[in-house]
Amino acid sequence: AQSVTQLDSQVPVFEEAPVELRCNYSSSVSVYLFWYVQYPNQGLQLLLKYLSGSTLVKGINGFEAEFNKSQTSFHLRKPSVHISDTAEYFCAVSDPQGGGSYIPTFGRGTSLIVHP
Amino acid sequence: DTGVSQNPRHKITKRGQNVTFRCDPISEHNRLYWYRQTLGQGPEFLTYFQNEAQLEKSRLLSDRFSAERPKGSFSTLEIQRTEQGDSAMYLCASRRPGHPNTEAFFGQGTRLTVV
Repeated sequence: AQSVTQLDSQVPVFEEAPVELRCNYSSSVSVYLFWYVQYPNQGLQLLLKYLSGSTLVKGINGFEAEFNKSQTSFHLRKPSVHISDTAEYFCAVSDPQGGGSYIPTFGRGTSLIVHP
Repeated sequence: DTGVSQNPRHKITKRGQNVTFRCDPISEHNRLYWYRQTLGQGPEFLTYFQNEAQLEKSRLLSDRFSAERPKGSFSTLEIQRTEQGDSAMYLCASRRPGHPNTEAFFGQGTRLTVV
């Protein structure tokens, strides 16, 4: 079975500072990894995904993430955050061998709070 | 592409009543997923359709929960005899067929409050 651990429930940061949101996964097989963002009262929007290839993945809104197989991590980073980045961020994993379902399993989320 | 549409956006119901939510996926998306999200938690997978076939339903929370996708287009999620613990956001997502390098698009969700 797969699972995702997001180590920080809340990350406060000042505007224009860098940020890293941590994600660790457990899986006995190869994985696909995703980061989603959720703004208040909205659905989830995909920020970026890792399926294979380069371990550094760039996404929308200036975010990037690095897949580290040895540490089973997929941390999300942004060099300079904006007030508008305040939102809930979810890391998710799915099984490439999942019979075609590719059902993402989500972590509990990290609330990014950007202060002026 | 009008996105995944969920109705209603909000539902308040009395304990013991039945409720039904609707999800209209993006046209030509044959895969449809239902999730539940409680406060402070990530989305929790409930069930999954490929076209009209419900391929995974073991994670529906109890036999009070059921889902259908009769013509392989829109889907409904029904909760019978609602309980206060059913209060949550119910999310629907859809994907087009084929390679996993296709994004799952989420709707805005239906927020259920059981009083």
